[in-house]
This record gives sequence, C-alpha cells and structure tokens, in this order.
Amino acid sequence: DAKTTQPNSMESNEEEPVHLPCNHSTISGTDYIHWYRQLPSQGPEYVIHGLTSNVNNRMASLAIAEDRKSSTLILHRATLRDAAVYYCILRDRGATNKLIFGTGTLLAVQP
Amino acid sequence: DTGVSQDPRHKITKRGQNVTFRCDPISEHNRLYWYRQTLGQGPEFLTYFQNEAQLEKSRLLSDRFSAERPKGSFSTLEIQRTEQGDSAMYLCASSSEDRGLNSPLHFGNGTRLTVT
Repeated sequence: DAKTTQPNSMESNEEEPVHLPCNHSTISGTDYIHWYRQLPSQGPEYVIHGLTSNVNNRMASLAIAEDRKSSTLILHRATLRDAAVYYCILRDRGATNKLIFGTGTLLAVQP
Repeated sequence: DTGVSQDPRHKITKRGQNVTFRCDPISEHNRLYWYRQTLGQGPEFLTYFQNEAQLEKSRLLSDRFSAERPKGSFSTLEIQRTEQGDSAMYLCASSSEDRGLNSPLHFGNGTRLTVT
C-alpha cells in the first residue's frame, strides 16, 4: 500500500485558514486521495477526496499538486470544533477498498 | 440515516473472559469493516465483509478473534480469552458498493475495551 507522510501536529487560530499538508510520493495513477478526521472520543469522519483536480465541499477544499505527489487539505475558517486528528489516506484499490490509516496530524485550534 | 451504531460503548472485562461487540451498519450499505485503534495510533484494519461474506482478514486478527455478519446486516466481533493487549477501541464502518472508491466509509463511535 502506498504511504502518506503528514506532520505530527499543527496549530491554528480560530477563524483563520488552515493548510494541512500531505506527501504521497509513491502514489500511483489510480490512487484516490482521501481525507478523514477524528474528533475526540468519536470514530473517523469523511472529509473529502479527489483524484487529480482540486475539490471543494462544504467542509473543506482539497488542493492536489500537478504531479500528485502531495496534497493539501484547506479549512477556510478554523473553528474550535475543527480540533481533531486529520488523516490523509491513499485508498486501497483492491477488492475491499479499505482505508489504511497512518498516525495523522493533530490540529489544535486556539481561540 | 441513523448512522453506524455500536454496542456497547464501553466494556471492562477480566483477562481470560470472552467479549462480544455488535455493529449495526447503515441499512443499505453492503460493505462492513472492523478496525482497532490504540492510543495515539490511527485505526488498524481487522476484517471486511461484503454482504454476509467475510472476504478479508488482517494478520492482526488472531485465532481468538472471530467476526460474523449473518444475513448481511449487523455484525459481531468476538474476542475469546481476552488479554491485556486487546485493550483498544474497536471501530466498525460501513459503505455502499455502488460508487466503489468514491464511497466514503461511515464509522461508528466505537466500543472501548479495557482488559484488567
């Protein structure tokens, strides 16, 4: 399974944008990039995913580098409720399409 | 959409006892996954069901672990002769097959197991 590399932790101030980076230099042509987050005492929650083009949804934006070896999750205005562990995942292309999690980035949001 | 529900939320058991956890996926989802998560780590894949068929098991799933999904609806995960190393959060997730890699996994809030 292709691997991703994320910083262990990041800090942000409330109401400011947050850019969470992810490196995936061994990505293959058909690997989708998925982002999940996990709030304290909860299961992971889907945030966004993409293949080649940048993607936007109500939660976040995903910017994918032209060579696809890196991506950035963008939270446009961080709130205290965005404090969580954010996981960048290259989804398994096998029959199960399972998610292989790393250790993610712990985002702290300061008021 | 009531989401994925897991029962119980917490379980404390003594070493050597058997425990069973239940997962009720989103009703129209035919794919079901079990994960285990220890403190400070991301979730680790344990096993996968498509409908009632168990199609993949991780090497993490020792002989003491067994999972079932009768009739392709709810699923149970049983751990026999629990050990202290089994203490973890056990997460269940479901997804639909129709969009393949584009179908997100929906996770429950897990069962936290403590083995004393």
